[in-house]
Amino acid sequence: SQTIHQWPATLVQPVGSPLSLECTVEGTSNPNLYWYRQAAGRGLQLLFYSVGIGQISSEVPQNLSASRPQDRQFILSSKKLLLSDSGFYLCAWSHGGGSREQFFGPGTRLTVL
Amino acid sequence: ELKVEQNPLFLSMQEGKNYTIYCNYSTTSDRLYWYRQDPGKSLESLFVLLSNGAVKQEGRLMASLDTKARLSTLHITAAVHDLSATYFCAVDGYSGYALNFGKGTSLLVTP
Repeated sequence: SQTIHQWPATLVQPVGSPLSLECTVEGTSNPNLYWYRQAAGRGLQLLFYSVGIGQISSEVPQNLSASRPQDRQFILSSKKLLLSDSGFYLCAWSHGGGSREQFFGPGTRLTVL
Repeated sequence: ELKVEQNPLFLSMQEGKNYTIYCNYSTTSDRLYWYRQDPGKSLESLFVLLSNGAVKQEGRLMASLDTKARLSTLHITAAVHDLSATYFCAVDGYSGYALNFGKGTSLLVTP
């Protein structure tokens, strides 16, 4: 069966510091991968998605970036965090090839102070 | 612009009562997804509706899809406290393999 991991689970960072969140998927090959952000009491905002190694599509202009160095690894980064980057970051995967049902990781709660 | 609208956004209901959550969308998608999110937790897939007229049921929840009306419903039967959560619907988006989510319906079931 497939599992998805995210770490860290929680993170408190000062404004202007860098960020690296990691997501890995087990039990499947060539998944589509997604990063979402959920602000407090809000819906989900798609940030990035990837259909393959090195292929990243950005949905919203921002100071975040994503990379996919390996088939089942997805990384979300920032060089300098802003207060507005606080939120609940969710990684998700779906089967490649058109099925869009997405399966979510446990999430990382980021607080920028 | 693709829109996915849920209503109500907040719902407080008594245990044992029935209620329906509505999800309207603006695309011609014939696939719709329902997710549940417990407070502070991630999203859990509940139902995947793949065609017009699809109906799926699990426990006290039943989801249906009318692609002609661009409407999905999530019906709650004889609510219990354990159903308290936020429920999201989503449809296929325009870009890549992404989904477009509604804003969610926060459900609170009270004794």
